[in-house]
Amino acid sequence: AQTVTQSQPEMSVQEAETVTLSCTYDTSESDYYLFWYKQPPSRQMILVIRQEAYKQQNATENRFSVNFQKAAKSFSLKISDSQLGDAAMYFCAYRGDNYGQNFVFGPGTRLSVLP
Amino acid sequence: DAGVIQSPRHEVTEMGQEVTLRCKPISGHDYLFWYRQTMMRGLELLIYFNNNVPIDDSGMPEDRFSAKMPNASFSTLKIQPSEPRDSAVYFCASSLWGATNEKLFFGSGTQLSVL
Repeated sequence: AQTVTQSQPEMSVQEAETVTLSCTYDTSESDYYLFWYKQPPSRQMILVIRQEAYKQQNATENRFSVNFQKAAKSFSLKISDSQLGDAAMYFCAYRGDNYGQNFVFGPGTRLSVLP
Repeated sequence: DAGVIQSPRHEVTEMGQEVTLRCKPISGHDYLFWYRQTMMRGLELLIYFNNNVPIDDSGMPEDRFSAKMPNASFSTLKIQPSEPRDSAVYFCASSLWGATNEKLFFGSGTQLSVL
């Protein structure tokens, strides 16, 4: 079974600085999808960024980018120019490419942004 | 589309009472997931459906929990009888397999408090 690990329960960053959240996963599949979801205090789950494993190019969405290392099974999220609104729980998630697979989530990292 | 719609947003009940949580997935989506979120256990997958058929219910805690999906536009999660340890946020989410940029869309969750 696939597992997703986030080794940093909590992180903090100064406003306008850069922070990187770590995620590793375990799978025997070659094709899959990886996601970062953000959950602010409103509790709404919001997709931040998505990566397809067959694409070597790292995904980017404005201030958010990933470092996808397929061989190392690592999928870190970098947040540049951190803003107060970035404070939230961040969840890394995995979904296999086979039909019938569910989304597997990591335990989350709570990010605080300091003014 | 209005997104994934869950009701109620908050539910307060007494131990022993029956609780029914409702979900309307995004129209056309073929996967529906029920998750439970607590501080201690994080985000847990309870059950998921594909084309209204339950695929994996191994995450359902015990026989007090049941979930149904009578049609493509409606699902329920029922707890009978409820217990204080069932207090949590329950999320419903849906997705469309094979869609361009496939991702999981979450509802706003139901905050359940069992007294």
